[in-house]
Amino acid sequence: DQQVKQNSPSLSVQEGRISILNCDYTNSMFDYFLWYKKYPAEGPTFLISISSIKDKNEDGRFTVFLNKSAKHLSLHIVPSQPGDSAVYFCAARVDQGGSEKLVFGKGTKLTVNP
Amino acid sequence: NAGVMQNPRHLVRRRGQEARLRCSPVKGHSHVYWYRQLPEEGLKFMVYLQKENIIDESGMPKERFSAEFPKEGPSILRIQQVVRGDSAAYFCASSPWVTASTDTQYFGPGTRLTVL
Repeated sequence: DQQVKQNSPSLSVQEGRISILNCDYTNSMFDYFLWYKKYPAEGPTFLISISSIKDKNEDGRFTVFLNKSAKHLSLHIVPSQPGDSAVYFCAARVDQGGSEKLVFGKGTKLTVNP
Repeated sequence: NAGVMQNPRHLVRRRGQEARLRCSPVKGHSHVYWYRQLPEEGLKFMVYLQKENIIDESGMPKERFSAEFPKEGPSILRIQQVVRGDSAAYFCASSPWVTASTDTQYFGPGTRLTVL
């Protein structure tokens, strides 16, 4: 039962253009959504998050949009840079009795071509 | 990755042996989480510990797996009698407290376990 889905295993964009990574979820109890970036042989690095009561959060080149009615969120990176090439994981937080665990999607591998 | 240390980075075990994975959280963090990533999969939650307490082990396999976070020293994830299906990357994350802000789970570099 996959509660967080990233349906695109890979995405390739040109440097300077916009990258849009998508994520769908099924559990209405998620209260926060996060995006992590991961390079090979390293741990995930936190990128940006959004509360379930918001619809947009922006941090520099990164913007996350949340459509709660569609249970869908997306990460926009603009302009994309070659250094953004990595695997991006969408994650959702569920708070169950004081345990804040994260539920991850399978990831989308972003390649930004110079 | 904000200072979470994991060792070893790579661990090779034969079937039936024991694997011990260590995680030193960011200094001052008292909450530790373990996640497992199988090939081509996302990270899956295993266990959440505070100092000397297991808070949530709902993601831990019922047998052969155990975790601890003693008052002193690193958190340990122990896998007894390993099988080939245990081969995965195991990530530890730490946070200073449980808050409404969720950008506070900092991940370590992971331990890649290979079972021959």
